[in-house]
Amino acid sequence: GQQVMQIPQYQHVQEGEDFTTYCNSSTTLSNIQWYKQRPGGHPVFLIQLVKSGEVKKQKRLTFQFGEAKKNSSLHITATQTTDVGTYFCAVYGGYGNKLVFGAGTILRVKS
Amino acid sequence: EAGVVQSPRYKIIEKKQPVAFWCNPISGHNTLYWYRQNLGQGPELLIRYENEEAVDDSQLPKDRFSAERLKGVDSTLKIQPAELGDSAVYLCASSLYSNQPQHFGDGTRLSIL
Repeated sequence: GQQVMQIPQYQHVQEGEDFTTYCNSSTTLSNIQWYKQRPGGHPVFLIQLVKSGEVKKQKRLTFQFGEAKKNSSLHITATQTTDVGTYFCAVYGGYGNKLVFGAGTILRVKS
Repeated sequence: EAGVVQSPRYKIIEKKQPVAFWCNPISGHNTLYWYRQNLGQGPELLIRYENEEAVDDSQLPKDRFSAERLKGVDSTLKIQPAELGDSAVYLCASSLYSNQPQHFGDGTRLSIL
C-alpha cells in the first residue's frame, strides 16, 4: 500500500533557528496534506498541496510540493516555542484510497 | 463551529473487558473516520463512513472491533474483548466529504491492564 517516508524522525533546535521536515514517496501523489499535533493533543490540519511545484506560506511556515509530486517539505523560519509538536504529512493511497500518515517529525525547541 | 467531540477522554480497563468510544462529528460532515494512534506513530485508519455506510473497514480487526454510525451522525467504536495490544489513543475525525481536510477530536486514551 501507499507509504510515505518522513525525515528526520526527531529534531531539537534552538529558538530562532530554522526547521525543515521532508516527506518522500516512491509513487506520484495526487496531493499531500500536512498536520501538526501538539504534545497530548490531536492532529490539526495545516494545509493541502495539489499542484506540481506548488509553494504555500502561512506566516513563518513554508510548504512545498515537488515538481514530480513525489516529495514535499515543511520549513519553519525562526522557530518559536509554540512550534513544538509533531508534524505529519499525509497522502491518499492504498486500498480504499485512504489517508495514510507518515511517522511524523517531532520538533522540540529550546528557549 | 463546534469541533469533533469524543468521549471518554481516558479509559482504563482490564484485558478481556469490553469498551466503547463515542464520537460526535462536526455538524454537516458526511465523512467520519476512526483512527488508532500508537505512541510515536501517525494515526492509522480503522474505518471510514460515508453517511451511514462503512466504505472502508479493511483495517478494522473484525473479530473484536465493531463500529456503527446510526443516522449518519454520531458513531461508536467498540472493542470486545480488549487485549493488551489495544492500548492506544483512538481518534475520531470528520470531513465535509472524502478527500477533504479532516478535523480530529481530542481522542480517547485507552489503557489495558
